[in-house]
Amino acid sequence: AQKVTQAQTEISVVEKEDVTLDCVYETRDTTYYLFWYKQPPSGELVFLIRRNSFDEQNEISGRYSWNFQKSTSSFNFTITASQVVDSAVYFCALSESQGAQKLVFGQGTRLTINP
Amino acid sequence: DGGITQSPKYLFRKEGQNVTLSCEQNLNHDAMYWYRQDPGQGLRLIYYSQIVNDFQKGDIAEGYSVSREKKESFPLTVTSAQKNPTAFYLCASSTGRISGANVLTFGAGSRLTVL
Repeated sequence: AQKVTQAQTEISVVEKEDVTLDCVYETRDTTYYLFWYKQPPSGELVFLIRRNSFDEQNEISGRYSWNFQKSTSSFNFTITASQVVDSAVYFCALSESQGAQKLVFGQGTRLTINP
Repeated sequence: DGGITQSPKYLFRKEGQNVTLSCEQNLNHDAMYWYRQDPGQGLRLIYYSQIVNDFQKGDIAEGYSVSREKKESFPLTVTSAQKNPTAFYLCASSTGRISGANVLTFGAGSRLTVL
């Protein structure tokens, strides 16, 4: 069965600090997709990144970077030089490649950036 | 601007009443989904639909019903059979055929409280 664990329930840092959100996943599939979504206070989830299981290249997008390591089944998310606008709940999610939609979400990490 | 509109944003219900949550999208997306979010938990899939007049149960469909009479609309009815309906409900959509690679676009959610 698929499972996603975000062990950090809440994180609070001061603006401009770097912060890493952890995500550990379990799956028996060799082909799968990993996602990160951001949920700001307004409620809607916003897509940040998708990574397939065959692409272990790390990705950087501005202040955001993602570290995918199949050896440890982790897909961690780092925000560099955090800003107050980064405050949100962040979800990591896993999906099998075949068949119907089976997106499994982690519990989410509430990130608070203090000025 | 294209997007997903959910209404109402807040809804209060007495025990034993059915309520219907609206979800409308103008993205011309084929697939639509309903998720439930409880405090401190990830999202769980209630129902999803690939095409008009067809929908499938997700992981927690008991006590819920849906319809897909139009491509743009996917209303969710929370019935009196749902034992613990107080939650935040999110509607989502995606383009193309449903697969694990789908990137979801979410609405802003509806918060249902049972009095």
